[in-house]
Amino acid sequence: SYELTQPPSVSVSPGQTATITCSGDKLGNKYACWYQQKPGQSPVLVIYQDTKRPSGIPERFSGSNSGNTATLTISGTQAMDEADYYCQAWDSSTFYVFGPGTTVTVL
Amino acid sequence: QVQLQESGPGLVKPSETLSLTCSVSGGSVSSASYYWSWIRQPPGKRLEWIGFIYYTGSTTYSPSLQSRVTISLDTSKNQFSLKLSSVTAADAAVYYCARREGVGIDYWGQGTLVTVSS
Repeated sequence: SYELTQPPSVSVSPGQTATITCSGDKLGNKYACWYQQKPGQSPVLVIYQDTKRPSGIPERFSGSNSGNTATLTISGTQAMDEADYYCQAWDSSTFYVFGPGTTVTVL
Repeated sequence: QVQLQESGPGLVKPSETLSLTCSVSGGSVSSASYYWSWIRQPPGKRLEWIGFIYYTGSTTYSPSLQSRVTISLDTSKNQFSLKLSSVTAADAAVYYCARREGVGIDYWGQGTLVTVSS
């Protein structure tokens, strides 16, 4: 079965850039999405189809996907961005696979 | 604004069947633009996709759960449902119903906690 890996945690100072990676075999050949989940809440889609932002998601969230790695970048990180972030890969054979999640801490 | 709401028993006995229903408002399960999904999350663990259903009734399930899962659609009530048979403690989780548009899951229910215990 297809597996995704993420770092368990990322720490960032307010106003700085947080970079979260997601690795999987030939992930660049699949579509990647990213979800933000705060404690006790449902996930929120922040990036879909590698680079696209849903309506209402701030511009400081951006994504890329190439080779074996998808990346979520949060520019000018704010305290409200503290959350768990899950990557998700999709293609017509894998369907939906989620990564283990990365906890972003804004120090 | 689309809203999804899960309902069903919060406690299921081992070996029995888990049954949940998702009520959709602000949108139609008969729309050709979306797939209606079930996803679960054991406490403290990652999300796990269970399966989805299209307005035609066509279903796709996770290979790891396929033998035990049934997702169905009730267009008259604008609902879709999940049945998971032969549950064990490993099936305890928060179960989310959600809407898939394209490759992203853009609307989620609030989730419902299901405990498996005798």
